[in-house]
Amino acid sequence: EDKVVQSPLSLVVHEGDTVTLNCSYEVTNFRSLLWYKQEKKAPTFLFMLTSSGIEKKSGRLSSILDKKELFSILNITATQTGDSAIYLCAVGGAQKLVFGQGTRLTINP
Amino acid sequence: EPEVTQTPSHQVTQMGQEVILRCVPISNHLYFYWYRQILGQKVEFLVSFYNNEISEKSEIFDDQFSVERPDGSNFTLKIRSTKLEDSAMYFCASRSTGGGGYTFGSGTRLTVV
Repeated sequence: EDKVVQSPLSLVVHEGDTVTLNCSYEVTNFRSLLWYKQEKKAPTFLFMLTSSGIEKKSGRLSSILDKKELFSILNITATQTGDSAIYLCAVGGAQKLVFGQGTRLTINP
Repeated sequence: EPEVTQTPSHQVTQMGQEVILRCVPISNHLYFYWYRQILGQKVEFLVSFYNNEISEKSEIFDDQFSVERPDGSNFTLKIRSTKLEDSAMYFCASRSTGGGGYTFGSGTRLTVV
């Protein structure tokens, strides 16, 4: 059975801290790994990773995939209160995404 | 930026009633999906749709569920006889053939009472 596991489930840090969110997976027919930010409703797209070892960056966020060890990390540097959200990792197979349970990140001022 | 539009944003229905959730995917996307998220739980795949037919469905997607693309722009999810446990946020998503990221709609919160 396809499985995506995120850790930690919950994280509380102070503004300005750097955080690392983890995602490990066991999925048949791996095509891609995606990170989403979910605040109130819809997950909003952050990154799609398909190749090992190539870092994707967007402002203070970055992510990398290790296809040998079957995991990915999402880093957020200099966190701000607006980064508070649930971060979802999803792995794309042939026809669908399999989601992890999410990491609830809270940034305190 | 193109977006996936879902209506209604919130629907309350009585147990046993039929509901239709509507989605307008991004216009040049060809792959369409429904996912649901029960409160406090992970996002779960329901069904994928391509070339006017279901390409994959999950165990959740039993005979009470159906999908349709009635007019080339809308993509609907019908639940024939709703149960209390169908209460969830239902997300529509679409993606292009280029293997890009999935774009999600803002969801329909379905409450079955």
